Amino acid sequence: AQSVTQPDIHITVSEGASLELRCNYSYGATPYLFWYVQSPGQGLQLLLKYFSGDTLVQGIKGFEAEFKRSQSSFNLRKPSVHWSDAAEYFCAVADRGNKLVFGAGTILRVKS
Amino acid sequence: DAGVTQSPTHLIKTRGQQVTLRCSPKSGHDTVSWYQQALGQGPQFIFQYYEEEERQRGNFPDRFSGHQFPNYSSELNVNALLLGDSALYLCASSVGLATGELFFGEGSRLTVL
Repeated sequence: AQSVTQPDIHITVSEGASLELRCNYSYGATPYLFWYVQSPGQGLQLLLKYFSGDTLVQGIKGFEAEFKRSQSSFNLRKPSVHWSDAAEYFCAVADRGNKLVFGAGTILRVKS
Repeated sequence: DAGVTQSPTHLIKTRGQQVTLRCSPKSGHDTVSWYQQALGQGPQFIFQYYEEEERQRGNFPDRFSGHQFPNYSSELNVNALLLGDSALYLCASSVGLATGELFFGEGSRLTVL
């Protein structure tokens, strides 16, 4: 069965520092991959997605992610974190159309 | 342009009761999916509706049922509530059944006492 692993439950970074959130997936074919962000009390907002083509994808809010097939990874990065980036981040893989399988999430804390 | 709207935002029920949650998809979307997000976990797929039919179902018991109306809005019903059903229920809408972008609502927070 398809699965997504986000190894880090919590990450704390200083404002202005770079960020990398890890995501590993298990999927037999070429995966469709997503990163979503969830602020407290809110729904999920799509940051970026990978379907095919260039393995480095750009998203909203200055985020990017790189698909590495050999490592089954789709890590999310941002060069300089802002305090407003504090939230929970979810990686997901599409299984059979629009059914998404999510990881357990990584909570990002930003210290000033 | 209204996004995905869900109601109610919060509700409290007791064990054994039944609950109905409602979702209106984003304008132009015709597919609705429901997810359950327990505290500290990622969302888990419950089921998906398209053309008023359940198209896919996750690993949830028959106590979870749904419906899609001709205007594409949807309801999620849960019977015989258990304490473990306490969660945030998220509705997501999309176009058709092919893989694409899901737009999520802000969720309905269900507490079962």
